[in-house]
Amino acid sequence: RKEVEQDPGPFNVPEGATVAFNCTYSNSASQSFFWYRQDCRKEPKLLMSVYSSGNEDGRFTAQLNRASQYISLLIRDSKLSDSATYLCVVIQNRDDKIIFGKGTRLHILP
Amino acid sequence: DTGVSQDPRHKITKRGQNVTFRCDPISEHNRLYWYRQTLGQGPEFLTYFQNEAQLEKSRLLSDRFSAERPKGSFSTLEIQRTEQGDSAMYLCALRVGTGTGYTFGSGTRLTVV
Repeated sequence: RKEVEQDPGPFNVPEGATVAFNCTYSNSASQSFFWYRQDCRKEPKLLMSVYSSGNEDGRFTAQLNRASQYISLLIRDSKLSDSATYLCVVIQNRDDKIIFGKGTRLHILP
Repeated sequence: DTGVSQDPRHKITKRGQNVTFRCDPISEHNRLYWYRQTLGQGPEFLTYFQNEAQLEKSRLLSDRFSAERPKGSFSTLEIQRTEQGDSAMYLCALRVGTGTGYTFGSGTRLTVV
C-alpha cells in the first residue's frame, strides 16, 4: 500500500461549483498534514495546513480524520485560477521527511 | 522569492554526461531536502541534510547520484553517467518552521537526450 494515496483525476468542474478531494495515508503515526498546490512546470507551494479541528481559508477548507486516516480539501465557488494539481502531504515527524501523494489534477471549466 | 534558489533552471544533457545542480537557501536552515518529480507523479524523496551531515538517502538514489552540503548552507546534487530515466524536475526544499510546511525552490528541470 502506498504511503499517501490520491485520486489522480482529472476533475473537470464548472466555474462556481464546489469540489472536494480526499487523500488517505497509511502510517498512523504521521503527525503533520498539508495541502500543496502545483501549477504546470512550477514548484509545489503550500496551500494550507490540515488539522483535526478543520482549517478554513477563504473558499478552501481542509479536514483531517485520524481515525480513518484521510485528509480532505474542499474548494467552494471555484475559480478558473484554481486549476492546478493539488498534492496531499504527510510528514512523519521522526525525520521530518515529506511524503507526497501523486496529486489530483483539477480543471475549472468556464 | 521562494527563499530557495536553484541553479540551473533547465539543463539538457546527452546520455552519459555528468551534471551538477545547486541549491542555495537565502537564509540559514538546518534541514535541506532533495526531491525528484517526474511527469504525472508527486515529488519523491531523494535525500536530506541536517547541517552538513547527510542523514538519509532514498533507494532511488543510485550509486550514480551524490549529494553534498559542505558548509551546511548550499547543497549540490551530482548525477554521473546520466540516463534517460534521470529526466525529471529536481527540487530542493527547506523547512520554514516547527509544525509548518516546507518551501521549495523553483527546481532544476533535467532532460537527458
